[in-house]
Amino acid sequence: EAGVAQSPRYKIIEKRQSVAFWCNPISGHATLYWYQQILGQGPKLLIQFQNNGVVDDSQLPKDRFSAERLKGVDSTLKIQPAKLEDSAVYLCASSRDRGQGEQYFGPGTRLTVT
Amino acid sequence: AQSVTQLGSHVSVSEGALVLLRCNYSSSVPPYLFWYVQYPNQGLQLLLKYTSAATLVKGINGFEAEFKKSETSFHLTKPSAHMSDAAEYFCAVTRPNFNKFYFGSGTKLNVKP
Repeated sequence: EAGVAQSPRYKIIEKRQSVAFWCNPISGHATLYWYQQILGQGPKLLIQFQNNGVVDDSQLPKDRFSAERLKGVDSTLKIQPAKLEDSAVYLCASSRDRGQGEQYFGPGTRLTVT
Repeated sequence: AQSVTQLGSHVSVSEGALVLLRCNYSSSVPPYLFWYVQYPNQGLQLLLKYTSAATLVKGINGFEAEFKKSETSFHLTKPSAHMSDAAEYFCAVTRPNFNKFYFGSGTKLNVKP
């Protein structure tokens, strides 16, 4: 089966600009996650969707970050306006359902804010 | 609350030597534990997982990990390191029916020829 797809793979923007990332999960996976991975750290969950509803967005900086998952499939994560500290790799992951544990990760989008 | 601590941000071994990457967890309920590997410019790939069955878990690429409740540990081992094992390894914890993962800060494994 095809894995989790993400685009773009790399993005460089200036601070205060906006940026959007796209994720297509594995077909049939109900749960989708967005993680932020800052250099030298482990991934930190930003938001979790179950189908097209938000399960957990407690660590999403809502003043500048937003995410949606229309029709319970693809998802986009947006940052507006970007700050220097948003430089990180943004990982998308999906899992079959909430109870099975195993998450499958995409290749990530490396964002550099200058 | 759940958390994971990975001791040693960098580990260096010689090719053919034993690999030991340490992970200690904190969880108020029986945990599910995972090891993931991340190669440069790639996402995370599952190596193995513990979900309350056998305490010794075997994964891909010759890796295994043992769940020790008394020590709250889930250390990752491989008897003989290969150059292709050089990567960053992450331990993660969650609990049954709750897919929020808490990741450790990672351990970079360097394999010397």
